[in-house]
Amino acid sequence: DQQVKQNSPSLSVQEGRISILNCDYTNSMFDYFLWYKKYPAEGPTFLISISSIKDKNEDGRFTVFLNKSAKHLSLHIVPSQPGDSAVYFCAANSGYALNFGKGTSLLVTP
Amino acid sequence: DADVTQTPRNRITKTGKRIMLECSQTKGHDRMYWYRQDPGLGLRLIYYSFDVKDINKGEISDGYSVSRQAQAKFSLSLESAIPNQTALYFCATSDSGQGGSNQPQHFGDGTRLSIL
Repeated sequence: DQQVKQNSPSLSVQEGRISILNCDYTNSMFDYFLWYKKYPAEGPTFLISISSIKDKNEDGRFTVFLNKSAKHLSLHIVPSQPGDSAVYFCAANSGYALNFGKGTSLLVTP
Repeated sequence: DADVTQTPRNRITKTGKRIMLECSQTKGHDRMYWYRQDPGLGLRLIYYSFDVKDINKGEISDGYSVSRQAQAKFSLSLESAIPNQTALYFCATSDSGQGGSNQPQHFGDGTRLSIL
């Protein structure tokens, strides 16, 4: 069973606008969540994380929001840039390793 | 130089062959992992190791084995490769550190493995 779900396979956003990527999870025991960015022919690169004791974490243009009651998190990218075009994976820590969603492919158009 | 290095980057082989994928890291991390990624799917955990004497099965360990030769080296073997093991394989590391399990994992650039 997929415990981390990214229901949007793709997203297209204009440069300068906000990108919002969503992620849902089913396991209430997850206590640490991460977003990774992946370019073709490269490994996933850590982007930003959030502990379950927080509801928001911000790092420059990237903000992650966590809604524990809804078991939902989102990544906001503001403003979006063409270089942000990549596949974004949501992941949750199960205590020993990461559970990944299937990814959302973001395309930022000029 | 990459912090997490995987070799080879690409490999094509035949059914029934023994394959070894290697991973080395210069990050000084104690924890290492092997994942596979299939098209349209997220990464799934094959094996993980929290130190040199610790080896644990992940979600999809059948058909695979691992060896932690040193803190910096973690290899993945397919004893008798089959076509449905064709995938992209990633090695990752993390530091146990003060946050324990709540530390990000750092990935290599992957090995693309094709089994004919």
